[in-house]
Formats: sequence, structure tokens, C-alpha cells
Amino acid sequence: GAVVSQHPSWVICKSGTSVKIECRSLDFQATTMFWYRQFPKQSLMLMATSNEGSKATYEQGVEKDKFLINHASLTLSTLTVTSAHPEDSSFYICSATSTGTVNTEAFFGQGTRLTVV
Amino acid sequence: AQSVTQPDIHITVSEGASLELRCNYSYGATPYLFWYVQSPGQGLQLLLKYFSGDTLVQGIKGFEAEFKRSQSSFNLRKPSVHWSDAAEYFCAVGGGNKLVFGAGTILRVKS
Repeated sequence: GAVVSQHPSWVICKSGTSVKIECRSLDFQATTMFWYRQFPKQSLMLMATSNEGSKATYEQGVEKDKFLINHASLTLSTLTVTSAHPEDSSFYICSATSTGTVNTEAFFGQGTRLTVV
Repeated sequence: AQSVTQPDIHITVSEGASLELRCNYSYGATPYLFWYVQSPGQGLQLLLKYFSGDTLVQGIKGFEAEFKRSQSSFNLRKPSVHWSDAAEYFCAVGGGNKLVFGAGTILRVKS
């Protein structure tokens, strides 16, 4: 299967700072990328959907100004957590698909564990 | 609205025993259904998917799932569990370009 690489795997940052997480599709062009957040012992919650060259579509309740998503190329999407607070600590996972429809398999990155202290 | 229910938070089975993980979904049209596995601290790996056709779907690692429209279910099965199958399993339903995940079932395998 195709490979999606997420970087970093884990990061610790101080409250008030910003953190950028990268999601790269290594061997295919990702028309659409998805960002999820996973709380401990809970399921994945979709945060936003990004299409290359377009603004991301955020799910209800997700702060656009706090979670900045950029999908500038067909192989890279970034999630920036701005002015991070301890409650932003979580496991963030991206997925990528070569088309915009769910009947095309989405490939997942390995996730990023964010800890805000 | 789409939703997925995985009734079992934890399941423990003996190595070599059979396994069934339950998944019920709610969706207004013909759903796309998926099972993913997640090892601790890792991303998700697709085990199998159902889009249409044969309602018994074969996946990787010896897993299979059966789509039962009348019961709105898509249960995951494996005839003989291996210790390496210990992980968390997520059922998901998709439509359009979104996936909705269940809460997950943690599988423990005892030797």
C-alpha cells in the first residue's frame, strides 16, 4: 500500500508556543488529506479536510484560527497548533487519499503525540 | 447522520481461539464500511473494506467481515487469533469523503 509519513512522531512544547505537524504522501499524489484528533482511549475525531490548493474545511467545533491547515502541494499538508495549551495535548493523525471520495482507500500516517506543558 | 457503534470496549481471547468484534452502523444510504487496526502509538492500518458485492469480505492477516444490511452490522471475525493480533480495532463508515469511526475495541490475547 501507499505510504503516508507524519513528522514528528512526538513533540513536547511549552504553553503559548506553536507546533507544526507535517503529513507527506511519499509515493502518490494526495488530492485530499484529513486531520484527526484522538483522545486517550477514544476514537478518531475528524478535525478538518484539506484539498490541495484550497482552504481546509473544518468540522463543527474545531477552531480554524487555532488549528491552521495548509495543503500547498499534492504531497504535503501541515497542521499548525497555534498558542498551544495543555488541553491541546493529544494524538494527531493524518490520512491521505488520491481522490476526494471515501471509496478510495485512505492511508494513515503513524500519528504525532503532542504534549503541551 | 452517520454513526458507528462498537459495543465492546475490551475483549480478551485466548491465543488460537476464534474472534468476533461487533460493529453496528447508522447510515442513510448504502454505506462504505471499513475495519482498521491500530497498534499502540501508531497510525491505522486498513484490514478490509466493503463497498458492494459479496457481503463476506476477506482482508489481510486472516480477518474477514460480513455485511448484514438487515442488522446494520459489519462484524469482524478471525478463526484463530495470534498474540500479534493484540491491538485496538476500529470500525468506520464512510460516505462522500468522510469516515466516521466507532469508539474502538481493544483486543487482548492471552496465552
